[in-house]
Amino acid sequence: AQKVTQAQTEISVVEKEDVTLDCVYETRDTTYYLFWYKQPPSGELVFLIRRNSFDEQNEISGRYSWNFQKSTSSFNFTITASQVVDSAVYFCALIPVSSNTGKLIFGQGTTLQVKP
Amino acid sequence: EAQVTQNPRYLITVTGKKLTVTCSQNMNHEYMSWYRQDPGLGLRQIYYSMNVEVTDKGDVPEGYKVSRKEKRNFPLILESPSPNQTSLYFCASSWNPTLPGELFFGEGSRLTVL
Repeated sequence: AQKVTQAQTEISVVEKEDVTLDCVYETRDTTYYLFWYKQPPSGELVFLIRRNSFDEQNEISGRYSWNFQKSTSSFNFTITASQVVDSAVYFCALIPVSSNTGKLIFGQGTTLQVKP
Repeated sequence: EAQVTQNPRYLITVTGKKLTVTCSQNMNHEYMSWYRQDPGLGLRQIYYSMNVEVTDKGDVPEGYKVSRKEKRNFPLILESPSPNQTSLYFCASSWNPTLPGELFFGEGSRLTVL
């Protein structure tokens, strides 16, 4: 099966807390790409990061960081010192290269609410 | 500005009344795709197109048609909409689906079928 699971449906934190959004994926491919997208209340989908399966280095971009662990098939996303503007739905997604359809396999999304 | 443009952004219609959601991209992308987003289900692919005149079904194609007569446009057609097609629809495009990069999404079209 090719699938992405975001087990956390909703998370609520208070501003300045750190928060981690979990993403677990399944694929039979050895070459694949993982993505995170943000969907703010306005509804558009904002690309955050792409990671290929051969690059397990963690990445940090400002307050955002991503932890990719092939051993546990996880690609978790951490927001440090959360802000109200981080409130959104966050989607993790997978493209197995063998699919040849360009289809992103999305998780169900995690709704993050950051309270002031 | 590089963008994917969808129209209409919001639409309320009635069962059986044919409608078309247009999608246009200005990035000369080969690949275009349609997704629908429903609560608890994430986003699911409806149709995709590798290039002009090449289209194929995604995971949930029933009740939809598409065409790709020009590289920049990829309209989604609902011949006879039904209430279960009430959803948020996204068009997306990218350079080359076999070398996955960023998929650029439109702003979404919220459709309600009564």
